[in-house]
Amino acid sequence: GAVVSQHPSRVICKSGTSVKIECRSLDFQATTMFWYRQFPKQSLMLMATSNEGSKATYEQGVEKDKFLINHASLTLSTLTVTSAHPEDSSFYICSASQGVEDTEAFFGQGTRLTVV
Amino acid sequence: KQEVTQIPAALSVPEGENLVLNCSFTDSAIYNLQWFRQDPGKGLTSLLLIQSSQREQTSGRLNASLDKSSGRSTLYIAASQPGDSATYLCAVGWAGANNLFFGTGTRLTVIP
Repeated sequence: GAVVSQHPSRVICKSGTSVKIECRSLDFQATTMFWYRQFPKQSLMLMATSNEGSKATYEQGVEKDKFLINHASLTLSTLTVTSAHPEDSSFYICSASQGVEDTEAFFGQGTRLTVV
Repeated sequence: KQEVTQIPAALSVPEGENLVLNCSFTDSAIYNLQWFRQDPGKGLTSLLLIQSSQREQTSGRLNASLDKSSGRSTLYIAASQPGDSATYLCAVGWAGANNLFFGTGTRLTVIP
């Protein structure tokens, strides 16, 4: 299967700082990338959908000014958590697809963010 | 509203047993369904992908079935091993939405 690389795998930051998470599709062009968040003992919830070259579409309740998503190329999307607070501590996972129905979604290994 | 439900939330079985995990979903207009495994603090490992036109997929000791009309999928694990202990997530892709909708998972513990 295709490979999606997510970096970093783990990050600890101070409250008020910003953190950038990268998601790369290594061997295919990802026209669409998704960002999910998973709180402890809960399932993954979609945060936003990003299409290459256009603005991300955010799910209801997700602050677009806090979670900045950039999808500047067909192989890279970034999620920046701005002015992070302890309640933003979570597990963030990206997935990438070729943006066509009936194709498999491939997931990164996730980023454990801890805001102290 | 599109929802995915997994039952049971947790399951504990002795090593060697065969077991079934259940996933149900609203709205039969899906385009695919995936089963994932998640180890504690880790990302997702894709186990099986079933397209909407398929009824089942098999990989090793795993078999996943899909019944769109009843809105159900099952993941069958044969001859369970302690290494199978993990959380298993079912995710559904609906027509018109490229993202996946996840169930809350079943936490499996296989006791040696």
